[in-house]
Amino acid sequence: DAGVIQSPRHEVTEMGQEVTLRCKPISGHDYLFWYRQTMMRGLELLIYFNNNVPIDDSGMPEDRFSAKMPNASFSTLKIQPSEPRDSAVYFCASTRSGGGGFEAFFGQGTRLTVV
Amino acid sequence: GQQVMQIPQYQHVQEGEDFTTYCNSSTTLSNIQWYKQRPGGHPVFLIQLVKSGEVKKQKRLTFQFGEAKKNSSLHITATQTTDVGTYFCAGPNSSGGSNYKLTFGKGTLLTVNP
Repeated sequence: DAGVIQSPRHEVTEMGQEVTLRCKPISGHDYLFWYRQTMMRGLELLIYFNNNVPIDDSGMPEDRFSAKMPNASFSTLKIQPSEPRDSAVYFCASTRSGGGGFEAFFGQGTRLTVV
Repeated sequence: GQQVMQIPQYQHVQEGEDFTTYCNSSTTLSNIQWYKQRPGGHPVFLIQLVKSGEVKKQKRLTFQFGEAKKNSSLHITATQTTDVGTYFCAGPNSSGGSNYKLTFGKGTLLTVNP
């Protein structure tokens, strides 16, 4: 299996621009998570989906952030408009329920820089 | 809300020395997981502990879950340069969410001097 695939790996954008991050979870996994990692705040859960349905978006910083999962093999995280404080590494992770394990498989991440 | 705290934040050791990182939760956990993130990499799952007092070993790594299921530790014996990275503990969020919603500690960054 190719693992969780994220794109792009790096993104540099100007303040005010729209940014879209993409994620393909591992096939057969029914949970998908978006995390943000910064030095100050560590790994923060932004939102997660179960069977393509958003379950908890309480970690989404503000209305500028939105996430979708139109099908089981694709999700996007969008920031519009972007701000310098959004600069971070964004990770997507997926998990398969059942079997007693709750381990999350992370993608390589997208390093976002907003200038 | 639930807090998961790790200490120390940083640890620098000489190759061959032992290393321990500690994880404490403000609430009782149904399970605890440990992850390793190499510099520039992504978190990689190491292990999950479920039972009170559970101890698991992976080669030079020993993981322990406290009797009260509120704390955990990771011990590395005779560190090697390949052990460099940040070690995170994570537990299910206790705010009524599912077991799959994890709260991560801030991690312990381990550096090893060869």
